[in-house]
Amino acid sequence: GALVYQYPRRTICKSGTSMRMECQAVGFQATSVAWYRQSPQKTFELIALSTVNSAIKYEQNFTQEKFPISHPNLSFSSMTVLNAYLEDRGLYLCGARDRGQQYFGPGTRLTVL
Amino acid sequence: GDSVTQTEGPVTLSEGTSLTVNCSYETKQYPTLFWYVQYPGEGPQLLFKVPKANEKGSNRGFEATYNKEATSFHLQKASVQESDSAVYYCALSVTGGYKVVFGSGTRLLVSP
Repeated sequence: GALVYQYPRRTICKSGTSMRMECQAVGFQATSVAWYRQSPQKTFELIALSTVNSAIKYEQNFTQEKFPISHPNLSFSSMTVLNAYLEDRGLYLCGARDRGQQYFGPGTRLTVL
Repeated sequence: GDSVTQTEGPVTLSEGTSLTVNCSYETKQYPTLFWYVQYPGEGPQLLFKVPKANEKGSNRGFEATYNKEATSFHLQKASVQESDSAVYYCALSVTGGYKVVFGSGTRLLVSP
């Protein structure tokens, strides 16, 4: 079956430092990968959408300078949170899509001290 | 822009009672509608989806009808169980499904 793994599941970083998270699609080809953030007491916000052979598209309030994304092949994507601060804490979700079906990973929970 | 509004939780029920979680949506396009369920420490899991208006989706006793006229997609279950306790998200997707717009989520607490 189709599965999406995310690593790490939980991480803690100091304010002002950076943190990289990974997303792995297993059993299917992730032609597009969407990264979301669920902040405390909020719903999921789309950060950016990465589609093979297209430029990565960032949503309003999110930038490449803050959340650089790499999508080198059809099974892997990574995103870095640069200069993390308290407002960046939350659950970062990877959604990998193949042929009309989007599969979500379990998320990477980021705590910023 | 596209948006989803759903019942504000928490919703607290006893086992065996019925559930309705209201969901309404706004979009100028033709969306696919979803219900996702999220358990503690996990990402959202697809409960079911309905791509066409006036059709019904169902899974594990949960069901919802895509009502285009009312722009609604209410989640229902006739008899909830303690294991149904989770957060439920109504969502929509347009433009080929590359972006999912989630509602704020409704926490369901079912007591035995």
